[in-house]
Amino acid sequence: GPKVLQIPSHQIIDMGQMVTLNCDPVSNHLYFYWYKQILGQQMEFLVNFYNGKVMEKSKLFKDQFSVERPDGSYFTLKIQPTALEDSAVYFCASSLPGGLYEQYFGPGTRLTVL
Amino acid sequence: SQLAEENLWALSVHEGESVTVNCSYKTSITALQWYRQKSGEGPAQLILIRSNEREKRNGRLRATLDTSSQSSSLSITATRCEDTAVYFCATYHTGGLSGKLTFGEGTQVTVIS
Repeated sequence: GPKVLQIPSHQIIDMGQMVTLNCDPVSNHLYFYWYKQILGQQMEFLVNFYNGKVMEKSKLFKDQFSVERPDGSYFTLKIQPTALEDSAVYFCASSLPGGLYEQYFGPGTRLTVL
Repeated sequence: SQLAEENLWALSVHEGESVTVNCSYKTSITALQWYRQKSGEGPAQLILIRSNEREKRNGRLRATLDTSSQSSSLSITATRCEDTAVYFCATYHTGGLSGKLTFGEGTQVTVIS
């Protein structure tokens, strides 16, 4: 089936540093998402991105977070600066345009902030 | 705010048996999606059931949706060891435009050989 790729699989950084998580979505998909999952807890929506703009974001999407997809390349989540509470697994997903198409998820990037 | 939740955290079944995972939600939805997540992997979509549907099947999987009781179930028949995973329901809420999913906590299903 369609595959979403995420790079890197694991990132360890010091608090206060910047980190960029990369997502390679399914080729014909136009809606992109980031979700956050803290160990042992449910997955939570962060942000949705379409046509170069954020469509919706949750309260977890702090001012230190930003997303972009320059020139159809990777869809990225940047955190600057990072905080200890940003430690989690971040999942990227993509779907066809519209609210009810199946979202395909990547394998996740485990971010550890020390 | 909307909350999707599975009703049991863990289930164990023997290979070949059937298992059912239940999910409830608290606000009006347009659709509900069942996902499976194996250890170290991202969620894999299983079945999407829309609010005007009552039942949907995909091979050994059967999902039901009861909008009056705001609940859904996912049944797996003839279970195999490779069905061992965490099963999530996730909902699209009415009025949402962005495709945001609200996830439940997940139910760990373990199939024992």
